[in-house]
Order: sequence, then C-alpha cells, then structure tokens
Amino acid sequence: AQSVTQLDSQVPVFEEAPVELRCNYSSSVSVYLFWYVQYPNQGLQLLLKYLSGSTLVKGINGFEAEFNKSQTSFHLRKPSVHISDTAEYFCAVSDRDSSYKLIFGSGTRLLVRP
Amino acid sequence: AAGVIQSPRHLIKEKRETATLKCYPIPRHDTVYWYQQGPGQDPQFLISFYEKMQSDKGSIPDRFSAQQFSDYHSELNMSSLELGDSALYFCASSFDTHTEAFFGQGTRLTVV
Repeated sequence: AQSVTQLDSQVPVFEEAPVELRCNYSSSVSVYLFWYVQYPNQGLQLLLKYLSGSTLVKGINGFEAEFNKSQTSFHLRKPSVHISDTAEYFCAVSDRDSSYKLIFGSGTRLLVRP
Repeated sequence: AAGVIQSPRHLIKEKRETATLKCYPIPRHDTVYWYQQGPGQDPQFLISFYEKMQSDKGSIPDRFSAQQFSDYHSELNMSSLELGDSALYFCASSFDTHTEAFFGQGTRLTVV
C-alpha cells in the first residue's frame, strides 16, 4: 500500500531564509503528488501538484517542488519565506492502486520566526 | 468560482447522539471523498463515491455510513457518537477519480 513520509514534524526558520520540506513516498509506480497547506482552523489548500510532465512544479505563494522518481521524493521548497507562511504542510500521493484517494503524510509544521 | 460546500461548519453533539454532515461538490464533479482529521493528525480517508456508487472505503467505523445522492451531494451519517469522533471532517470533490480533488472548509465536530 502506498505511504507518505514527512520526516520533519516541525521546521523552524527565520523570515526571508530558504526552506525545504521533505516528502518521500513508497512506490515509484505512476503516482500523482500534491502539497497542501493548512492554516490554523482552516481547510486544506492546494499549493501545487505533479501529475505528469516537467519534474519541477511551481505552485502558489512562491513554492515549488521537484519530483524525483529515482529517490521517490517530492520535496517542497521556497527561496524566501514570510511570517505568513507559518502553517502545517501536508504531502499527499494518489495512484490507481489506491483508487486515486489521497494518502497524506503526517504533516510538517513550518514555523517562521522574525 | 464555486467551491466545495460543507455544512454545518461547526457541530457540537453529546455522546451516543447522531450527527449528519453534508457535502455539496463543485458543479459537474462526480466524485466525492470524505476524510477525518483528528487533533494534530493528518487527514485519514474514510470513504469515497463515484457516480453515486461507493468506490472505496477506508478506516470508517461501522457506526458511520455515507451516501451520494442523485444531485451528487453527499451525506456522512454518524451514530452512537463517541468522544474520539471529535475531529475535523473534510469533504473533497473531483471530476472523475484521477483528477485533482478540491477540499471544502471542513466540519468541526465536537462530541461532549
């Protein structure tokens, strides 16, 4: 069964510094990959997705992610974070074997400090 | 643009009561997913429907049931509520099963 690993439960970073949130998934069979952001007491907002094509995916709010099939990774990056980026970030994967339902990682809390 | 609508946004119930959560998908979306997110947890898949038929089932308790109606809206019925059912319940919809799913704002259920 498909699984997603987000190794970092919390990532503290100073404002305007770069950040990388790591995500690894269990299978390299054709998958769709997603990053969602959740602000406190809010719903899930899609940041970006990889369905096919270019392995470098650009999303909203200046985030981007790179699909690496050989390493089964889909790390999220931002070159310069803002205080407003403080939130919970979830990596998710779906594939045909899981009937395309989303399987979420445990989440990474990004804490941006001034 | 129309989004996924969930109602109610907040719900407080006592133990052993029943709750019904509603989800109205984006127009022309035929697939609905339900997820449960406990405090400090990642969202867990409960159940999904495609064209009004159940398409997949996850870790949904037997006390819960769901269906998708002819207008594609879906309802999650929860009976004999327990304290552990307190969570944020998300609905998501998509056009067909292997396209991007859009999430609603969620229903926060508190069981007291």
